[in-house]
Amino acid sequence: SQTIHQWPATLVQPVGSPLSLECTVEGTSNPNLYWYRQAAGRGLQLLFYSVGIGQISSEVPQNLSASRPQDRQFILSSKKLLLSDSGFYLCAWRTTGGVSGYTFGSGTRLTVV
Amino acid sequence: SQQGEEDPQALSIQEGENATMNCSYKTSINNLQWYRQNSGRGLVHLILIRSNEREKHSGRLRVTLDTSKKSSSLLITASRAADTASYFCATADVGQFYFGTGTSLTVIP
Repeated sequence: SQTIHQWPATLVQPVGSPLSLECTVEGTSNPNLYWYRQAAGRGLQLLFYSVGIGQISSEVPQNLSASRPQDRQFILSSKKLLLSDSGFYLCAWRTTGGVSGYTFGSGTRLTVV
Repeated sequence: SQQGEEDPQALSIQEGENATMNCSYKTSINNLQWYRQNSGRGLVHLILIRSNEREKHSGRLRVTLDTSKKSSSLLITASRAADTASYFCATADVGQFYFGTGTSLTVIP
């Protein structure tokens, strides 16, 4: 069966420190992968998506970057965190082509202090 | 913006009542989806309705889509306390989905 793993679940980091959030998918190949951010009480903002290894598209200019070193691995990074990077980060995948919904990971609560 | 907008932002009902949430969007779509999010958790896909469909059912969920009005509604019948969550609509044209800000539903036992 298909599953998605996202970690860590919570993270508290000081301003200016680096960030690395990892997401892996099992049970499928060549998925479309996504990173979303959700500010408190707000909707989801698409940050990055990837349709294949090494292919990253960014939806908004920001302090973050993403990489896809393997087919089922998606990493969200920052060299220096800002206070405004705090939020709830969600990884998601869906099948390439066709019509299907997202499957979301359980999320990472990032607090930058 | 292509984002859907849910209405109302918050809804509080008694257990057993029906809950109706609405979503409006701005551009043409291929399909529209509804998701549920429990507090501090990831989103769970509930139902997808294609642009050529007008109504779809799944258990206690009923979704309607009016492409002429660019709106959709999600009806939860016979609500339960466990339905308490935030509900989001997501619209897709070509490629990515765009989420609204959600409706926070509280079902009071």
